[in-house]
Amino acid sequence: GESVGLHLPTLSVQEGDNSIINCAYSNSASDYFIWYKQESGKGPQFIIDIRSNMDKRQGQRVTVLLNKTVKHLSLQIAATQPGDSAVYFCAPGNTGNQFYFGTGTSLTVIP
Amino acid sequence: DVKVTQSSRYLVKRTGEKVFLECVQDMDHENMFWYRQDPGLGLRLIYFSYDVKMKEKGDIPEGYSVSREKKERFSLILESASTNQTSMYLCASIPGLSYNEQFFGPGTRLTVL
Repeated sequence: GESVGLHLPTLSVQEGDNSIINCAYSNSASDYFIWYKQESGKGPQFIIDIRSNMDKRQGQRVTVLLNKTVKHLSLQIAATQPGDSAVYFCAPGNTGNQFYFGTGTSLTVIP
Repeated sequence: DVKVTQSSRYLVKRTGEKVFLECVQDMDHENMFWYRQDPGLGLRLIYFSYDVKMKEKGDIPEGYSVSREKKERFSLILESASTNQTSMYLCASIPGLSYNEQFFGPGTRLTVL
């Protein structure tokens, strides 16, 4: 199985600052990684993914970095906005086996 | 857009009651999942189904059963609810096992008294 951990259960950042959310995983066979965002009262939603043949992928205001050597990935959010306040989960796995989620990091954006 | 709906947002039941949680997806997805979400524990997989009438146990199936009689509908059943089953229950679906991104419903917050 997979063991997934997030380094910080909570994170507070000032509006406009950059946020970094970290995630460690245990299974070196994991080759695909997804970050989900869960807003209050809603189910998790996909925000960005990365495959193991990459070490960086950028989206709109979000960047995911993958370090397979130490089995670590991070989600960076640029110019954090109040709408970014949510719980963020990383989900490492393989195609057809992406069922493990971390405990989540709750991001609070301070106006 | 994929839509995954769950029958109730909030549910209060008594210990020993039989509880049905319903999930429906409207995009003809093959695979459906039930998770429970608890503070400090994240999402844990209870059961999943990769086809009609097929089911597989996840990490924490004890105390639960599931039913998939139609492709669009996946039901989670608590045969005799207990207080330790008080939780947020999330349903998800994906088109097939070659896909990874899961589409989640809004969740059902179940309280067992």
